[in-house]
Amino acid sequence: QVQLVQSGAEVKKPGTSVKVSCKTSGYTFTGHYLHWLRQAPGQGLEWMGWINSDSGATKYAQKFQGRVTMTRDTSITTAYMELKGLGSDDMALYYCARAQGTSAAGLDPWGQGTLVTVSS
Amino acid sequence: DIQMTQSPSSVSASVGDRVTITCRASQDIRTWLVWYQQKPGKAPKVLISAASSLQGGVPSRFSGSGSGTDFSLTISSLQPEDFATYYCQQADRYPLTFGGGTKVEIK
Repeated sequence: QVQLVQSGAEVKKPGTSVKVSCKTSGYTFTGHYLHWLRQAPGQGLEWMGWINSDSGATKYAQKFQGRVTMTRDTSITTAYMELKGLGSDDMALYYCARAQGTSAAGLDPWGQGTLVTVSS
Repeated sequence: DIQMTQSPSSVSASVGDRVTITCRASQDIRTWLVWYQQKPGKAPKVLISAASSLQGGVPSRFSGSGSGTDFSLTISSLQPEDFATYYCQQADRYPLTFGGGTKVEIK
């Protein structure tokens, strides 16, 4: 079955960076875009961007431009999201999610989430 | 960015009740609308895509309708496993944006 397994929780100091991984299995990795989203505690969902798992092309939300980098390693069917310049408002559960096909088909499945805590 | 407004933000209902959640987009998104269900401590999962297409494996008591700016998700007969938070998401243009969520609670 299709699975997305993310790396474990991180505790980071303000101003530093975090890199979250998303190991995929059960489907052709290069056949689907991977999206990254986050959810602050008790809050709604925020889209951060996507990576074309085949070409490596990316599209980021304007809010994160210059601070986020999404990459992938096709040899190990894993995607990565690095966020720099962490602040307290970056504390959230970060998710990767597979695009099912066209945008209208939605994102499914999702990884289990990676909790990023920012604390001095 | 396209703003998505969901209502109500929470609803208290009993098993067997019919529940309807609405989602309004700040501009025309045609039928580029996805509904998700999220249970506590779990990631969201797709219920309905393209406004009204039921995802495989999703019970038929869930249905979606609408186009343009106004959409709705209906649960025809609420079951115990349906108590969760529901989100709409527009897929018409980037950035993808979500409604604020509707928490369906037990009455």
